[in-house]
Amino acid sequence: DTAVSQTPKYLVTQMGNDKSIKCEQNLGHDTMYWYKQDSKKFLKIMFSYNNKELIINETVPNRFSPKSPDKAHLNLHINSLELGDSAVYFCASSRVNGELFFGEGSRLTVL
Amino acid sequence: AQSVTQLDSQVPVFEEAPVELRCNYSSSVSVYLFWYVQYPNQGLQLLLKYLSGSTLVESINGFEAEFNKSQTSFHLRKPSVHISDTAEYFCAVTPSSGGSYIPTFGRGTSLIVHP
Repeated sequence: DTAVSQTPKYLVTQMGNDKSIKCEQNLGHDTMYWYKQDSKKFLKIMFSYNNKELIINETVPNRFSPKSPDKAHLNLHINSLELGDSAVYFCASSRVNGELFFGEGSRLTVL
Repeated sequence: AQSVTQLDSQVPVFEEAPVELRCNYSSSVSVYLFWYVQYPNQGLQLLLKYLSGSTLVESINGFEAEFNKSQTSFHLRKPSVHISDTAEYFCAVTPSSGGSYIPTFGRGTSLIVHP
């Protein structure tokens, strides 16, 4: 039973399109995150939600919009995709002490 | 605010050799410390953590890390590596007080084990 699951695993799309990535966790955690990992493996936090409320919104373009319908789900919608958006996007949830549980990642390729 | 420095971006070693991956952090408050491992084409998974108590912590696959408060370090070591240890390793910290447990990550160290 996967703890943090995200879909789809791969997305290939054209510039200018809109795409969404879904994430669900069954660990009962209150906090969820979206991270972006670039080609050099650097992890950048994008958003953090605690109990459906946004608590961190790092400097990301407003083409990226997270949505948390309940505390077990945190989806990421991206409008008007650009070449530089190509990356692996990770969803994660955390315990109170900050220990993170990651999904398998969604590899986005923008052509 | 916290920061994490992983000085080595890449560490090549031969199989069965010892290895140390370095992690230093900066923080104005006490922290919890973590090492995560990312195998190729996978997500990150927790390798080991320091929350309190003994400063030496161990993982089930032979890695250990020691929290050194005076040197603000949490270096990861293994006495004898396997090919299967080839992966990206990330050090992370979170504040242990203040209500915000948002992790800060280092840039990662790529461990490459050669036969």
